[in-house]
Amino acid sequence: GAGVSQSPRYKVAKRGQDVALRCDPISGHVSLFWYQQALGQGPEFLTYFQNEAQLDKSGLPSDRFFAERPEGSVSTLKIQRTQQEDSAVYLCASSLIFSRSGAGTQYFGPGTRLLVL
Amino acid sequence: DQQVKQNSPSLSVQEGRISILNCDYTNSMFDYFLWYKKYPAEGPTFLISISSIKDKNEDGRFTVFLNKSAKHLSLHIVPSQPGDSAVYFCAASGNYGGSQGNLIFGKGTKLSVKP
Repeated sequence: GAGVSQSPRYKVAKRGQDVALRCDPISGHVSLFWYQQALGQGPEFLTYFQNEAQLDKSGLPSDRFFAERPEGSVSTLKIQRTQQEDSAVYLCASSLIFSRSGAGTQYFGPGTRLLVL
Repeated sequence: DQQVKQNSPSLSVQEGRISILNCDYTNSMFDYFLWYKKYPAEGPTFLISISSIKDKNEDGRFTVFLNKSAKHLSLHIVPSQPGDSAVYFCAASGNYGGSQGNLIFGKGTKLSVKP
C-alpha cells in the first residue's frame, strides 16, 4: 500500500482490558510517531521511533502505555488495563528521514478509534 | 500551556472566495511548520509546509505565510471550493532540547465552504 495503515480502525474495550493497536508505516520510512487525539483537540505526541529504537517516550501518559517496533517497520502500541480516559483516536505517522531540525514531513494513517466502556 | 494556537474554531467562506486560516505559536525554537487537513474518520492529510528560513510557500491554490517576528503563520486558499470543507490543523516542530521532530498541533479550525 502507498500510505500508512492502522488496525483495527475501531476498538471497543471494557475497562481493565488490554488492547494492542497496530501501525504499518510507509515502506522505507525511518521515523515513526504515535499521537493521541482527544475529541475536539489536536493530536498530541506519545512516542517516537527511529528504525527499531524508541528514542522518545516522553508523551506516554502512564506506564500502562507501551510501544514497540522490533524490526524497524511495523509498530504496536499496547495499552494495559484500559481506563475510560484512554478513549481517543490513536494516530500513527511516519516520515522518510530523521532530522533534528524536524524537517521530515509526517504522513498519517487513518487512526484507531478506541472507546473504553 | 498551548505552544500552537488556532484561535478560530470555525470559519465559513463562500465558494470562490479566499479562505484565511490563522495560527500563532509561542516557542521561538520552532523552525518547521505544517498544515494538515482532516476529514471525519480519516487521519490528517499533509497539505503544505514552510521552513523558518522562508516567509512564503505556495502550492497551487494553497499558500502559507510565515511571520517569524510575530510568531504567526497563515494558510490562504484561493479560490475556495466546497471540497475544501474540513478541519485544518497547524503544526510545528523544531530543533530544541528533547525534541525528536515530533509535531506540536493546534486545536484545529473547521472550514466550511458554501456553494
